[in-house]
Amino acid sequence: AQSVTQLDSHVSVSEGTPVLLRCNYSSSYSPSLFWYVQHPNKGLQLLLKYTSAATLVKGINGFEAEFKKSETSFHLTKPSAHMSDAAEYFCVVSDFTSGTYKYIFGTGTRLKVLA
Amino acid sequence: GAGVSQSPSNKVTEKGKDVELRCDPISGHTALYWYRQSLGQGLEFLIYFQGNSAPDKSGLPSDRFSAERTGGSVSTLTIQRTQQEDSAVYLCASSSGTSGRWSDTQYFGPGTRLTVL
Repeated sequence: AQSVTQLDSHVSVSEGTPVLLRCNYSSSYSPSLFWYVQHPNKGLQLLLKYTSAATLVKGINGFEAEFKKSETSFHLTKPSAHMSDAAEYFCVVSDFTSGTYKYIFGTGTRLKVLA
Repeated sequence: GAGVSQSPSNKVTEKGKDVELRCDPISGHTALYWYRQSLGQGLEFLIYFQGNSAPDKSGLPSDRFSAERTGGSVSTLTIQRTQQEDSAVYLCASSSGTSGRWSDTQYFGPGTRLTVL
């Protein structure tokens, strides 16, 4: 069965340092992969998505992610963290098994940015 | 333009009561989704509507949960005889339905926080 694993439930970085949020997936089909961000009391916002085109995907607010099929990973990175990046981040895989599509969410990584 | 809106933003109810949660999708979006976000967990898919097609109800956890979408726009999620384990944030999302269902970008509403006492 398809699944998404976000390896860290919490990540803390200092402002101006790089961000790495890890995501591994399992899929029996050719997946689409997404990263969403959720700020407190706000709706989920799409950061970026991979749909079998370029393996390095650039998103909003300076974030990017690289699809690595051999490692079944889709880690989210940003070169320099900003205070406004503090939020919860969800990795999502869409898959097609047993005749139906599913959107599978990871359990989330809460990013804390220290001044 | 206006995004996805949901009402109420918060709902407190007593065990055994019925509740209705409303979602207004982005105008023109043909696809609509309901999810449930429980504390400390990822989002759980509940139901999917696409145009006039029969909805995909495969994620509904029990027959106490139902949803309808009137006129291809507004949707209502109904939970009958609520239980404490139903307490969660219920999120609605919509998408244009043009890219193929699961590569479509989904736009989420702010959610309804349901608390069952």
